[in-house]
Amino acid sequence: QLQLQESGPGLVKPSETLSLTCTVSGGSISSGTYYWGWIRQSPGKGLEWIASIYSYNGNTFSNPSIKSRVSMSVDSSKNQFSLRLRSVTAADTAVYYCATTTDNWFDPWGQGILVTVSS
Amino acid sequence: EIVMTQSPGTLSVSPGERATLSCRASQSIGSDLAWYQQKPGQAPRLLIYGASFRATGIPARFSGSGSGTEFTLAISSVQSEDFAVYYCQQYNNWPPYTFGQGTKLEIK
Repeated sequence: QLQLQESGPGLVKPSETLSLTCTVSGGSISSGTYYWGWIRQSPGKGLEWIASIYSYNGNTFSNPSIKSRVSMSVDSSKNQFSLRLRSVTAADTAVYYCATTTDNWFDPWGQGILVTVSS
Repeated sequence: EIVMTQSPGTLSVSPGERATLSCRASQSIGSDLAWYQQKPGQAPRLLIYGASFRATGIPARFSGSGSGTEFTLAISSVQSEDFAVYYCQQYNNWPPYTFGQGTKLEIK
């Protein structure tokens, strides 16, 4: 059974780059059937999909609202995938979840990591 | 972008009662809809996919229905552990995947 765990800094300064990693256990990230993604939840608000990557060929799909600032990558040797969000502002403060999907619904999810953007 | 709208924002029910939550899509999404449950301090958990199929381990008291633009999540007899926030998500037309704003199910 797949399990996901986010890691990264909990505090990022405005204008800098937010970098998070998701470690996958219980299965191979290189499986051709999975998309690996990031979803965030601002304090007291709903869910916003950020981006997903298809590990088989590295194709990445991003939310148009933040596409210009987002990149993702996969490290198969470590069974990890990563998110980079450039030029952050206070509006990027949120709990960031990694999750996986084979058929476009997200299951399972990581436990989430709170990232605060503040100087 | 497809906008998902959930109603009501908050639903108050007593344990043992039936709860009905609604989700509307801004355009037809067929049956490409999932429901999630989120408890405080936890990640969302998949309940329903394909509008009506329960995910592994989800109790039979949870049921999903609908197609096109109108969808419903029903809980036949609400248990204490069901009080949480529920989200719908469309995956018919992406990117982006989009979620509803959530319905909070609270104890009456």
